[in-house]
Amino acid sequence: EIVLTQSPGTLSLSPGERATLSCRASQSVSTTYLGWYQQKPGQAPRLLMYGASSRATGIPDRFSGSGSGTDFTLTISRLEPEDFAVYYCQQYGSSPWTFGQGTKVEIK
Amino acid sequence: EVQLLESGGELVQPGGSLRLSCAASGFTFSSYAMSWVRQAPGKGLEWVSVISGSGGSTYYADSVKGRFTISRDNSKNTLYLQMNSLTAEDTAVYYCANHFHTSVYTALDYWGQGTLVTVSS
Repeated sequence: EIVLTQSPGTLSLSPGERATLSCRASQSVSTTYLGWYQQKPGQAPRLLMYGASSRATGIPDRFSGSGSGTDFTLTISRLEPEDFAVYYCQQYGSSPWTFGQGTKVEIK
Repeated sequence: EVQLLESGGELVQPGGSLRLSCAASGFTFSSYAMSWVRQAPGKGLEWVSVISGSGGSTYYADSVKGRFTISRDNSKNTLYLQMNSLTAEDTAVYYCANHFHTSVYTALDYWGQGTLVTVSS
């Protein structure tokens, strides 16, 4: 099983600041099979990125993804009020599909 | 517009069974793989099971293997999750989600709003 470890657990930032979220895999993951999701309280998750760096439909360009191998990053260039949420990475290249434990981006 | 509507969640006793349904609309259901993902109260996301568009391929998390069965009826545009031998650790909101493609090796594109399963005596 591929274990995904996200860091930090919580990120305290102000609107307008840059957020950098990390996702580290216990073994190599092809960029094709790495995604990021956003979840707000009481809501279902929403797909942000797939293939490590491709934005899903309707996702603004302040969100970007990068990385390869075992290290992946989600960057939010300038935080908007609606971006404060929990973010999860996921690998879907091998069974079992796995999620990271999440990073909470909170208002400082 | 893609819509996924889960149903079937309720309070069930340990050892009991439950069948969840996910009614899909707004896309060609048979062309897309589908997954179930769950979230225990206050916890993160846990992938549960996936099924290919044709239904010919299925995979399960170790935590549910042998107890849960995923299936689909493409004529009814509906996804199912049969859950047996339920324990308190199965208590969670269960989401259905469609994949990007018929292949199971794709991201989860659209998600339903979830249905709550509570296992307790």
